[in-house]
Amino acid sequence: QITLQESGPTLVKPTQTLTLTCTFSGFSLTTGGVGVGWIRQPPGKSLEWLALIYWDDDKRYSPSLKNRLTLTRDTSKNQVVLTMTDMDPLDTATYYCARHYGPEFYFDYWGQGTLVTVSS
Amino acid sequence: DIQMTQSPSSLSASVGDRVTITCRASQSISSFLNWYQQKPGKAPRLLIYAASTLQSGVPSRFSGSGSGTDYTLTISSLQPEDFATYYCQQTYSTPPNTFGQGTKLDIK
Repeated sequence: QITLQESGPTLVKPTQTLTLTCTFSGFSLTTGGVGVGWIRQPPGKSLEWLALIYWDDDKRYSPSLKNRLTLTRDTSKNQVVLTMTDMDPLDTATYYCARHYGPEFYFDYWGQGTLVTVSS
Repeated sequence: DIQMTQSPSSLSASVGDRVTITCRASQSISSFLNWYQQKPGKAPRLLIYAASTLQSGVPSRFSGSGSGTDYTLTISSLQPEDFATYYCQQTYSTPPNTFGQGTKLDIK
């Protein structure tokens, strides 16, 4: 059974750094074709693709947020960590992590999401 | 970035109706197109990948088609549990794998 779970703060202040952890089970991030991605969704709005880390530790970031995002992984703990610097109220959103599977490239398993509010 | 435009943005339909949602890419995406369903307060659910392949466990009333820049999601006979928001996503170009703006399907 594949599961993913996001964890981290629910409230951050403007200019602070957000750190979110995705803890997963039922698959390995070292298996070829597998990745873990992050997607966010502001309240009432569409989905926004943020970043993706692949089985070979290759990482891709949204160009619009690239300077603010960092992905790291701990394969022994089955965790992927997303950090986002310089948080702004416009970053208020539900943040999801999801398993990314190739070669067709899709998110087939998702975490439940975590709502992060940016406010002073 | 490749832009994904869905139409319509919202749609009212009745149980039993046949419904089609369209997704247009700003350039050819060679069938690297996925469809997701999202219900309020829930994570998206993968319905179709590679434009036309039904994800395991998804009812056969859902189907996808298209090529190049134009793709469609069809629900052949709407069921009460199908009322939700639907998103397309291109995975031809990374990053980013852009999503459409969504199509909200509600009960007429």
